[in-house]
Amino acid sequence: ETGVTQSPTHLIKTRGQQVTLRCSSQSGHNTVSWYQQALGQGPQFIFQYYREEENGRGNFPPRFSGLQFPNYSSELNVNALELDDSALYLCASSENTEAFFGQGTRLTVV
Amino acid sequence: AQTVTQSQPEMSVQEAETVTLSCTYDTSESNYYLFWYKQPPSRQMILVIRQEAYKQQNATENRFSVNFQKAAKSFSLKISDSQLGDTAMYFCAFDSGYALNFGKGTSLLVTP
Repeated sequence: ETGVTQSPTHLIKTRGQQVTLRCSSQSGHNTVSWYQQALGQGPQFIFQYYREEENGRGNFPPRFSGLQFPNYSSELNVNALELDDSALYLCASSENTEAFFGQGTRLTVV
Repeated sequence: AQTVTQSQPEMSVQEAETVTLSCTYDTSESNYYLFWYKQPPSRQMILVIRQEAYKQQNATENRFSVNFQKAAKSFSLKISDSQLGDTAMYFCAFDSGYALNFGKGTSLLVTP
């Protein structure tokens, strides 16, 4: 176990809805990154937060947004869900160069 | 942009044998980190081994070792004495400074 916890573990949403995914980082880690892993693919970087500020962003549209809280936990929000948003969403907290991943949230958009 | 290529979608090895997973990458940077992650059916990404580009010595972690060829931009993973618990997806990843760039993965099956 890495100490990174994500909730919920599974989620089914309807196209056009909004969703919020949550991540509690490992104790002492002030950096959180989010990744989207489509079926049969490697994870794709969405964005990273460092000390509550967005620190970098991948090639995802603005309807993917996030927050990091003072305790370094984080949320990923996705608006106007599309069928292609169905994927495993992974959160990783890091210190220096080593990232520790949670078990992910499996999002299905129908 | 950095790209990571894993050319072997699936591999199979017998228990106790040795297997090598391939990875190539493309970057213009001179200092960076490379990783191999394991993703079992439980979905959690587990760090297997990492390599710092400025270190010429290949990293080793118990049964896992890498062959890092910086000039060729190659970073292969060797698993010795394969165990049934090694069955998983294996991802090669490049650290671009704030994000990990992953390959598409290699599905490894260890058979009795």
